[in-house]
Amino acid sequence: DAKTTQPTSMDCAEGRAANLPCNHSTISGNEYVYWYRQIHSQGPQYIIHGLKNNETNEMASLIITEDRKSSTLILPHATLRDTAVYYCIVRSPSGSARQLTFGSGTQLTVLP
Amino acid sequence: IAGITQAPTSQILAAGRRMTLRCTQDMRHNAMYWYRQDLGLGLRLIHYSNTAGTTGKGEVPDGYSVSRANTDDFPLTLASAVPSQTSVYFCASSEGLAGSDTQYFGPGTRLTVL
Repeated sequence: DAKTTQPTSMDCAEGRAANLPCNHSTISGNEYVYWYRQIHSQGPQYIIHGLKNNETNEMASLIITEDRKSSTLILPHATLRDTAVYYCIVRSPSGSARQLTFGSGTQLTVLP
Repeated sequence: IAGITQAPTSQILAAGRRMTLRCTQDMRHNAMYWYRQDLGLGLRLIHYSNTAGTTGKGEVPDGYSVSRANTDDFPLTLASAVPSQTSVYFCASSEGLAGSDTQYFGPGTRLTVL
């Protein structure tokens, strides 16, 4: 799985969009970009994933650059409950179970 | 739909005691996983199961055992607990086989071994 680089921390004002970047310059053609988050003391929560097209669901939008070397997770209207560590993970599809490897992630703090 | 449930939420255990952490999912997922999370070390895979009746070892399997008698349940057993097994334990599941690789996590069990 390709390595990812994320900023250590970010702040965002409540009600504003939170844009979390991720670099994955060594991504290969069949690798997906996944985003998870972990709110303090809770289990990791799946947010969204994509291959090359931009994706949107009820939680967030995922923008992947045309060369696929970077992506941005967008929380359109951040709330205090969105304060968490956000993890960008690049992973090839697998027909069998294998470890999901979390890096150090970005600590997002939503400020009132 | 509950997703994944884990029990107990937390437990304090004397060293040497046997303990089983329970995990149940209602999504009919084929694959299930057990991770432990320690400060500064991230999540590490203990054991996994691709489908009912099969199990495999992850990155840190020593001191733990699992079974997968049916699709829904994936208990993790510590035969003789030691203080280094103090951790937060997360169960996860995914469709597996030819389905989605996305893993969904339970709320965790916080275990303290004294």
